[in-house]
Amino acid sequence: EVQLVESGGGLVQPGGSLRLSCAASGFTFSTYAMNWVRQAPGKGLEWVSYISSSSSNIYYADSVKGRFTISRDNAKNSLYLQMNSLRDEDTAVYYCARVTGTAAAGDAFDIWGQGTMVTVSS
Amino acid sequence: DIQVTQSPSTLSASVGDRVTITCRASQSISSWLAWYQQKPGKAPKLLIYKASSLESGVPSRFSGSGSGTEFTLTISSLQPDDFATYYCQQYNSFWTFGQGTKVEIK
Repeated sequence: EVQLVESGGGLVQPGGSLRLSCAASGFTFSTYAMNWVRQAPGKGLEWVSYISSSSSNIYYADSVKGRFTISRDNAKNSLYLQMNSLRDEDTAVYYCARVTGTAAAGDAFDIWGQGTMVTVSS
Repeated sequence: DIQVTQSPSTLSASVGDRVTITCRASQSISSWLAWYQQKPGKAPKLLIYKASSLESGVPSRFSGSGSGTEFTLTISSLQPDDFATYYCQQYNSFWTFGQGTKVEIK
């Protein structure tokens, strides 16, 4: 079964750090680009960051640039998001999402994890 | 940055109704638009990619159309399982989601 499982969420104080992980299974992780997407409580979806299959291309939303770092370990079938200098507005459920593997479909997100909650509060 | 505007924000409908949701991009995105369904407490699910292509396993009552800046998601006959929130997403230049449309029971 194709699956993504996030972990690492929790309660952190403003200015603190947290590292999220996403474990992939059921597909050849090393051949797919990946993303982080977040959703604040009661709000819509916001794309956070993208990493290509070989880590050669990395992009961030302006709202997290300079504070968050995306990375992956293809040997461990894992995706990461290092979050530093956290703010109240970073409070959200964080999802990892796989980019479709076909040129015809383009860079839509076809597989999503169940999400991990990050709460930034003093 | 490409902005994406979705309407309406809320839609009240009955089982069997034909439902249409609109998404407008601030500039041309060709056909690089996807639609997702999200139920409370769950992850989004891909329904439509490249504006009109149905993702595998998605019921044929869902359809997408449009290109350039105007797009629509249509549910031909609303079923009880379809009450959810729907998001469009442009992926022509990075990724931007619409604000969402909640389809609720009338």
